Amino acid sequence: KQEVTQIPAALSVPEGENLVLNCSFTDSAIYNLQWFRQDPGKGLTSLLLIQSSQREQTSGRLNASLDKSSGRSTLYIAASQPGDSATYLCAVCQNYGQNFVFGPGTRLSVLP
Amino acid sequence: DVKVTQSSRYLVKRTGEKVFLECVQDMDHENMFWYRQDPGLGLRLIYFSYDVKMKEKGDIPEGYSVSREKKERFSLILESASTNQTSMYLCASSRGSGTGREVDTEAFFGQGTRLTVV
Repeated sequence: KQEVTQIPAALSVPEGENLVLNCSFTDSAIYNLQWFRQDPGKGLTSLLLIQSSQREQTSGRLNASLDKSSGRSTLYIAASQPGDSATYLCAVCQNYGQNFVFGPGTRLSVLP
Repeated sequence: DVKVTQSSRYLVKRTGEKVFLECVQDMDHENMFWYRQDPGLGLRLIYFSYDVKMKEKGDIPEGYSVSREKKERFSLILESASTNQTSMYLCASSRGSGTGREVDTEAFFGQGTRLTVV
C-alpha cells in the first residue's frame, strides 16, 4: 500500500529565506506527483504537477523536483514571504488518476 | 479556470439527520472524489466515481453513500449523521485516463465543507 510522508511536520522561518519541503513515497509506480497549498479552513489549491517522466517543474518562486526511483520529491520556495504561510501537501497519483494518496502536510510559518 | 464548487462552506446538523453534501465541477471531468480531513489523520478518501452512475469505495466508506446522476455533480450522503462524522469534507475532480494525456490527471479541489454534527 502506498504511503506518503512529509518532513518537516512544521517549519518557521524569517521572511526572505529560501526553504525546502520534503515528500517521500514508498511505491515508485506513480503516474504523477502534485503539490498543494491549504490555508486554514479552506480547500486545496494546486501549485505544481510533475509527471512521472519529468524531473522538475517551476512556477514563479516555486520549484518542485521528482526522483521517482528513490521515492522523493522536494518543493523549493525561494525568497519566502509571510503570504506563503500555509500547509503544504504532496499527493501521488496512481491508477491513471483514480487514486490520489496524500502526505500529512508541512505547516509553514513565514515571520515578517 | 477549473472550478469545483461545494454547496455549503459550513453546516450544522443533528445526530440522526440525513445529510447531503453537493459538489459540482465545470470542466467535464470524468473522475470525482470525496475526502474527509481530520487533524492528525490527513486526507482520507471516502468514495470516488470515474463515470456517471459509477462509484468505488475509498478507504473509509462506512456510514456514507454517494450519488452521481450527472457527470458534473457528485453528492455525498450521510444516511444517519453521527458525531464522529464531524469533519472537513473536500470534493475533487480530475480527467479520466481515456484522454491519454498525462497532464489531465491533475486534481482540483473545492473550498471544503465544515460539517458539525451535534
